[in-house]
Amino acid sequence: AQTVTQSQPEMSVQEAETVTLSCTYDTSESDYYLFWYKQPPSRQMILVIRQEAYKQQNATENRFSVNFQKAAKSFSLKISDSQLGDAAMYFCAYRETQGGSEKLVFGKGTKLTVNP
Amino acid sequence: EAQVTQNPRYLITVTGKKLTVTCSQNMNHEYMSWYRQDPGLGLRQIYYSMNVEVTDKGDVPEGYKVSRKEKRNFPLILESPSPNQTSLYFCASSRTPFLVMGYTFGSGTRLTVV
Repeated sequence: AQTVTQSQPEMSVQEAETVTLSCTYDTSESDYYLFWYKQPPSRQMILVIRQEAYKQQNATENRFSVNFQKAAKSFSLKISDSQLGDAAMYFCAYRETQGGSEKLVFGKGTKLTVNP
Repeated sequence: EAQVTQNPRYLITVTGKKLTVTCSQNMNHEYMSWYRQDPGLGLRQIYYSMNVEVTDKGDVPEGYKVSRKEKRNFPLILESPSPNQTSLYFCASSRTPFLVMGYTFGSGTRLTVV
């Protein structure tokens, strides 16, 4: 089974600054999908960004972008111009394909604090 | 509005008392799944369903049951809850079984078993 590792249990950033959350994964597949989900205190899981492994270009959604390093199996999330509303748990996820079934495998999460 | 609806949002129960957490989606999604979220462990899959009448175990299925009699509904059943099943539960669905767009999640059910 594939594993997803988020090495930073907690991070903090000043409002308006930039922060990068790290994620690494283990896979032998060549084509796959990666995701970042945000979980604010409301606990709703919100899809932030997705990346298709066969695409060289890093995905971007407004202030959120990824640094996808396929050879290194790294998928970090960069949040620019951080806002108070960005405070949340962030989960990295990998789409695992095994035995004809698919599922998302999640990392343990990084808690992001945004300081005013 | 396209959504996954879970009920109840909060539930406190006693050990051994059977309970059901309901999940319904209005997007005609084929794939549905249940996860539990525990501090320091992230989200772990309990069961999933690729379509009606097709269900299979995830990573932590012990103590849980599911059924998929209709496409829109995927209830999670705890026949005899125990305190180690105290957790935050999420139902999720996906447009295709290939999950290329990720999941749409319900709003979660906080379960406490005393």
